[in-house]
Amino acid sequence: QQQVKQSPQSLIVQKGGISIINCAYENTAFDYFPWYQQFPGKGPALLIAIRPDVSEKKEGRFTISFNKSAKQFSLHIMDSQPGDSATYFCAASLPSGGRYSTLTFGKGTMLLVSP
Amino acid sequence: ETGVTQSPTHLIKTRGQQVTLRCSSQSGHNTVSWYQQALGQGPQFIFQYYREEENGRGNFPPRFSGLQFPNYSSELNVNALELDDSALYLCASSRRSDTQYFGPGTRLTVL
Repeated sequence: QQQVKQSPQSLIVQKGGISIINCAYENTAFDYFPWYQQFPGKGPALLIAIRPDVSEKKEGRFTISFNKSAKQFSLHIMDSQPGDSATYFCAASLPSGGRYSTLTFGKGTMLLVSP
Repeated sequence: ETGVTQSPTHLIKTRGQQVTLRCSSQSGHNTVSWYQQALGQGPQFIFQYYREEENGRGNFPPRFSGLQFPNYSSELNVNALELDDSALYLCASSRRSDTQYFGPGTRLTVL
């Protein structure tokens, strides 16, 4: 059972454009939603994260929009640059309650920003 | 860079062999999680170690095992390798249930 569904699978955006990647989750107990960026041959790097008590979080050119009622969240990359070309993963985790917490990942979106 | 290191970078094994992968956590982090990332997929949780004990496990068979040492570094061991074990193996370190920071991974190829 895939608990986090990510779309699109791949995306091509012109330099300076807006890249939008969407994720939907099923488990309403998830309480932490990070986005990771992964370049070929590298491990995922944390980009930005949000908790469900806010509807939007912005860090530089990266914004997470969160819709709790729809169980959806999205990543917006403003003024996309060729250096943003990478694979992006959304993820979600359950409250740890003092125990362990693990990340459930989407399948990833391969973003290509054309010059 | 996250400060999480993994070794080796690449590894080629044959079916039925055993393999050990290593991870050094970021300074100040006491928790290590291991993930398997198949080609074109998102990482999948294998298990997590906290203070030298397995603290949670995903849907992986017992031939996947691990260790955590007093300095919080960790090993992932896989016995009786199968072709489907070919993947990028990632470790992530954190302070307990805080944000996880990933290493560069070990690419395992099983022939």
